[in-house]
Amino acid sequence: QKEVEQNSGPLSVPEGAIASLNCTYSDRGSQSFFWYRQYSGKSPELIMFIYSNGDKEDGRFTAQLNKASQYVSLLIRDSQPSDSATYLCAVIGLNQAGTALIFGKGTTLSVSS
Amino acid sequence: DTGVSQNPRHKITKRGQNVTFRCDPISEHNRLYWYRQTLGQGPEFLTYFQNEAQLEKSRLLSDRFSAERPKGSFSTLEIQRTEQGDSAMYLCASSLEITDEAFFGQGTRLTVV
Repeated sequence: QKEVEQNSGPLSVPEGAIASLNCTYSDRGSQSFFWYRQYSGKSPELIMFIYSNGDKEDGRFTAQLNKASQYVSLLIRDSQPSDSATYLCAVIGLNQAGTALIFGKGTTLSVSS
Repeated sequence: DTGVSQNPRHKITKRGQNVTFRCDPISEHNRLYWYRQTLGQGPEFLTYFQNEAQLEKSRLLSDRFSAERPKGSFSTLEIQRTEQGDSAMYLCASSLEITDEAFFGQGTRLTVV
């Protein structure tokens, strides 16, 4: 059973600070990694994806991937109250039967002004 | 084409009744996923299609659940003999290829009374 683990939080940071969200996964063959943001009552929306080890930056967001440690993270710089949401880590693997996109339970982020 | 479309948005049904949901993916997207989400949890994988072929079905999925994707376009998810535990948000997502990011519809909220 492939698993994706996240700390449920809540993670509370002041406005302007860096928020760090972490995720670990069990399937060593996983190839693609995604971060989604979900506001209360809404469906998930894609923030970033990363396929290779290292960092990938997009505006205030940086995704970090370490396949050896089976670890992926999301950094949000200059956090804003509008960033308050649940952040979902999702992983897809290719070397086992079944290549579904599997989600973690999500980390709730609260940014205070 | 503005995105993934799900209908209905809300469904209230009596226990024991059958319900069917529809998902229209983004045009030309080959992959289509169904998820179930309850409050405070991440999206739980139910099943996915590659074109018209249903490639994986979660072991957690009861035999009361069935999904189809005729002609590889829209998909339907049917729940037979609904139970109160089936109350949840049912989310559909589509992606172009296996490793590509998935985009979600707005979901169908099911309430079983």
